[in-house]
Amino acid sequence: TQLLEQSPQFLSIQEGENLTVYCNSSSVFSSLQWYRQEPGEGPVLLVTVVTGGEVKKLKRLTFQFGDARKDSSLHITAAQPGDTGLYLCAGAGETSGSRLTFGEGTQLTVNP
Amino acid sequence: KAGVTQTPRYLIKTRGQQVTLSCSPISGHRSVSWYQQTPGQGLQFLFEYFSETQRNKGNFPGRFSGRQFSNSRSEMNVSTLELGDSALYLCASRSGTGPYEQYFGPGTRLTVT
Repeated sequence: TQLLEQSPQFLSIQEGENLTVYCNSSSVFSSLQWYRQEPGEGPVLLVTVVTGGEVKKLKRLTFQFGDARKDSSLHITAAQPGDTGLYLCAGAGETSGSRLTFGEGTQLTVNP
Repeated sequence: KAGVTQTPRYLIKTRGQQVTLSCSPISGHRSVSWYQQTPGQGLQFLFEYFSETQRNKGNFPGRFSGRQFSNSRSEMNVSTLELGDSALYLCASRSGTGPYEQYFGPGTRLTVT
């Protein structure tokens, strides 16, 4: 069974601060996705990384896929209140098709 | 393109009843997956349908079932509802090729009393 561990589980910071969320596994993933979810809504896809060592930037968000494709990180620069939400990482195994394994999520609160 | 739509958005049922949830994927997407989200367990995979065939199945009891129609719309059914089935049920679609990017609908909030 593939497991994804996310840390931290909760994060409360002030506007303007930087933060990093981690997603770790002992399994190799063919691709890894990051989502953000608002209360009562479905997760919204932020990015997909597929190549070990890959780095993708989306405005103030930087996503990195580990060289061994077992871990990933999400770094937010100068966080804003609009970044508040539940951040989820999800991995697709090499043999699991589109069955995604999700991390527990990181609840981020950015205070103005 | 319109996103993934799910109906109904909210549902209240009693223990022992059954329920059917509906999902319409993004136009052109042939794969539909269902997930259950609860505070304690997070997001857990239920099953995936592709071209009307179940292609993958999670570790849920047989009370949970689904199907997909020729227009790629999908339904999931839960029979003999239990209190623990209260959850947000999410449907996700993908084109069926390339990286496994999935696009989620807003979910159906099911409450079992």
